[in-house]
Amino acid sequence: DAGITQSPRHKVTETGTPVTLRCHQTENHRYMYWYRQDPGHGLRLIHYSYGVKDTDKGEVSDGYSVSRSKTEDFLLTLESATSSQTSVYFCAISLTSGRGDTQYFGPGTRLTVL
Amino acid sequence: DAKTTQPPSMDCAEGRAANLPCNHSTISGNEYVYWYRQIHSQGPQYIIHGLKNNETNEMASLIITEDRKSSTLILPHATLRDTAVYYCIVDLNYGGSQGNLIFGKGTKLSVKP
Repeated sequence: DAGITQSPRHKVTETGTPVTLRCHQTENHRYMYWYRQDPGHGLRLIHYSYGVKDTDKGEVSDGYSVSRSKTEDFLLTLESATSSQTSVYFCAISLTSGRGDTQYFGPGTRLTVL
Repeated sequence: DAKTTQPPSMDCAEGRAANLPCNHSTISGNEYVYWYRQIHSQGPQYIIHGLKNNETNEMASLIITEDRKSSTLILPHATLRDTAVYYCIVDLNYGGSQGNLIFGKGTKLSVKP
């Protein structure tokens, strides 16, 4: 399995509080992604990074920000959590973004916003 | 939206081959076919991918039709641990540097003793 860890694995928080999820990789892959998974929607891309300090928005980026100060870490921040952000969050990495490359996923973080 | 069509569920007897079909009739010439699976709330696990030729690895075989409009994932000897949702993906968003995988609903494979 690819060396990807996510922390925390589970979190319960209250509406309006800030939350930061961390994705850490040991593979030195350039590309990193944050997805969320909800029933009926499958996995949807939130943000992605194509290098240190290089990030861009995905399909469902509203309410989320990201940062990548080191190759191995990609942080996802919910500035003010809402109940609609209750979800399972997955981080993924890939060596390139080109066709034919493979994305490897982390174990996920289950976030509940009360 | 996903460009693939998969049956919502399938059953397979333990020890038998599991053949999971996928239709992707609108696939373009340079789009790959990827297969992932997700075992009960774990992160999606990469299985195999291919462009035109059939592919085989330690997990599975991928058979792509000559016209590339459909493919079949084959698990040669299914075990109970292969029970999972299997996703066929051909919609790798290639805009700029965004390598987004767009997951559809997948096929829930149940391997039974």
